[in-house]
Amino acid sequence: GENVEQHPSTLSVQEGDSAVIKCTYSDSASNYFPWYKQELGKRPQLIIDIRSNVGEKKDQRIAVTLNKTAKHFSLHITETQPEDSAVYFCAASKTNAGKSTFGDGTTLTVKP
Amino acid sequence: GAGVSQSPRYKVAKRGQDVALRCDPISGHVSLFWYQQALGQGPEFLTYFQNEAQLDKSGLPSDRFFAERPEGSVSTLKIQRTQQEDSAVYLCASSFSGTSGGPGYFGPGTRLTVT
Repeated sequence: GENVEQHPSTLSVQEGDSAVIKCTYSDSASNYFPWYKQELGKRPQLIIDIRSNVGEKKDQRIAVTLNKTAKHFSLHITETQPEDSAVYFCAASKTNAGKSTFGDGTTLTVKP
Repeated sequence: GAGVSQSPRYKVAKRGQDVALRCDPISGHVSLFWYQQALGQGPEFLTYFQNEAQLDKSGLPSDRFFAERPEGSVSTLKIQRTQQEDSAVYLCASSFSGTSGGPGYFGPGTRLTVT
């Protein structure tokens, strides 16, 4: 089955700096890669996703890149703000299947 | 509009009791997912429905776990003879299409504590 590894497990940055979180996956048939943000005690929220037919996607301060050959994808957050502090999860799945495999999460702390 | 809702939000069960967790997805969403999230970990897949059809139940940890979505909207996750290792947050999620690839909108979760 699919295995997703995420790192780092914790990340601390100064407000205004950039943050990068990386994930690798094992199943070359996976073609959908979403990222979720989960604030303490809250539900996960889908913040951005990428499908395997594109290499990069941007939405304001966040972007995701995908390297299919190397089987890894990354989340980039620029101009970080204290409200970006949360746990971020990557996931991998196939678009015609229901099962998503999640990484173990990265706790991002943005210091004002 | 209303998002995904789950009830109860908190459930305490004595070991051996049966529990039923309810999920109300966003109206019209075809896909419905159940995940289990232990403290400090990522969600673990349990099962997936497309309308009323349960297409994948490979993540259910044992035959004590059962899920249904009989009319293609509300879903119930039932756990029989609860054990302490069942303690976790159970998340429900839905997506509009059947080919989205993953959960789009999560509910707030049900925190189950087995004593």
